[in-house]
Amino acid sequence: SAVISQKPSRDICQRGTSLTIQCQVDSQVTMMFWYRQQPGQSLTLIATANQGSEATYESGFVIDKFPISRPNLTFSTLTVSNMSPEDSSIYLCSVEGRYNNEQFFGPGTRLTVL
Amino acid sequence: AQKITQTQPGMFVQEKEAVTLDCTYDTSDQSYGLFWYKQPSSGEMIFLIYQGSYDEQNATEGRYSLNFQKARKSANLVISASQLGDSAMYFCAMREGLDSNYQLIWGAGTKLIIKP
Repeated sequence: SAVISQKPSRDICQRGTSLTIQCQVDSQVTMMFWYRQQPGQSLTLIATANQGSEATYESGFVIDKFPISRPNLTFSTLTVSNMSPEDSSIYLCSVEGRYNNEQFFGPGTRLTVL
Repeated sequence: AQKITQTQPGMFVQEKEAVTLDCTYDTSDQSYGLFWYKQPSSGEMIFLIYQGSYDEQNATEGRYSLNFQKARKSANLVISASQLGDSAMYFCAMREGLDSNYQLIWGAGTKLIIKP
């Protein structure tokens, strides 16, 4: 299985600021996924990031609010911009495995916005 | 309509008993995959087990097995000999199409608490 790390693991931020979350994978992967999990909820896909192309955003998520970088096959960042308390969530990075039946997740970033 | 339905928001089970977590799905695709994940209070999502729509055998991984009933569109997770460490949220998810380009569709989750 892929080993995925995320930084920071948690943060408390002020309204109006931005936070960049890093996701590092121990192997090269084509696709990386960013999810949001609001308190007590299931996961919602924010965007899919392929190396060398613009991220593909899901309905309700826009690049200005959640800019994503994917500079190489092992790394991606998600920025949560101009934060409000509604952005308080766990943000999870995910990658597909070697086979179609695998999708692995990072440990998550627990964000609290005051 | 909900694509993935987990009807049990919470469950209490005695340690060492077997647990069945329900999951029903709705799709018109012939090719799809079903996943179960465990999320402890730490927040990480731990992959447990996968069942492909064309797999004839029920998937098993250690103490986890998937009771796949295709005609009923049911993919229940069975945990044998439950342990205290099994206490967590459990999510069922589906991928319509077998290619990883297709996103996972998630159920609402079931909170499992194992009692000593």
